[in-house]
Amino acid sequence: DGGITQSPKYLFRKEGQNVTLSCEQNLNHDAMYWYRQDPGQGLRLIYYSQIVNDFQKGDIAEGYSVSREKKESFPLTVTSAQKNPTAFYLCASRGGVNYGYTFGSGTRLTVV
Amino acid sequence: GENVEQHPSTLSVQEGDSAVIKCTYSDSASNYFPWYKQELGKRPQLIIDIRSNVGEKKDQRIAVTLNKTAKHFSLHITETQPEDSAVYFCAAPQTPYGGATNKLIFGTGTLLAVQP
Repeated sequence: DGGITQSPKYLFRKEGQNVTLSCEQNLNHDAMYWYRQDPGQGLRLIYYSQIVNDFQKGDIAEGYSVSREKKESFPLTVTSAQKNPTAFYLCASRGGVNYGYTFGSGTRLTVV
Repeated sequence: GENVEQHPSTLSVQEGDSAVIKCTYSDSASNYFPWYKQELGKRPQLIIDIRSNVGEKKDQRIAVTLNKTAKHFSLHITETQPEDSAVYFCAAPQTPYGGATNKLIFGTGTLLAVQP
């Protein structure tokens, strides 16, 4: 996964459940991001973090929560308040000035 | 804030032809413009990027051009092959790259189909 690992690859959630998606990177990158992608659609920003212990809401943060306790890790929790969570979730990181994002391989979440 | 528009949303070409995808941006202070390729069910991958101090950058069959005055940048793929079929996203920074608020704003994507 090019240094950024997402798990699990597939996840099924029952109604009313909270689930947590893992994102780990060994690239020593400061900034990390979570995006949601619906079928045939673009990338929508959920949350991002520039440094440890700090994060900001993106465009569609409602129903999601994150933490950034370690530089390497940026887990995303999809709460029961997110009414339409079925989507492809992508985590990304960025190493510094003048560098693009490196994306993880994604987690496909389905509500059952 | 930055706004990125991408056209066309779909593009079908014959193998061997050229393909051009165009993006416009709104923030004249933006200085970094990447392009990503996403194959079906996979992650986006950076294929080329350009910074505002140059007007064109090439990498084999792929090139990106930047017109700062008109605030648009384009992806050019020559001699297209079936494996070029994918969704392509352009992006621009919300603030000058490396600034305090540092995130990319993505275009809506272009589905490129290369017909053999």
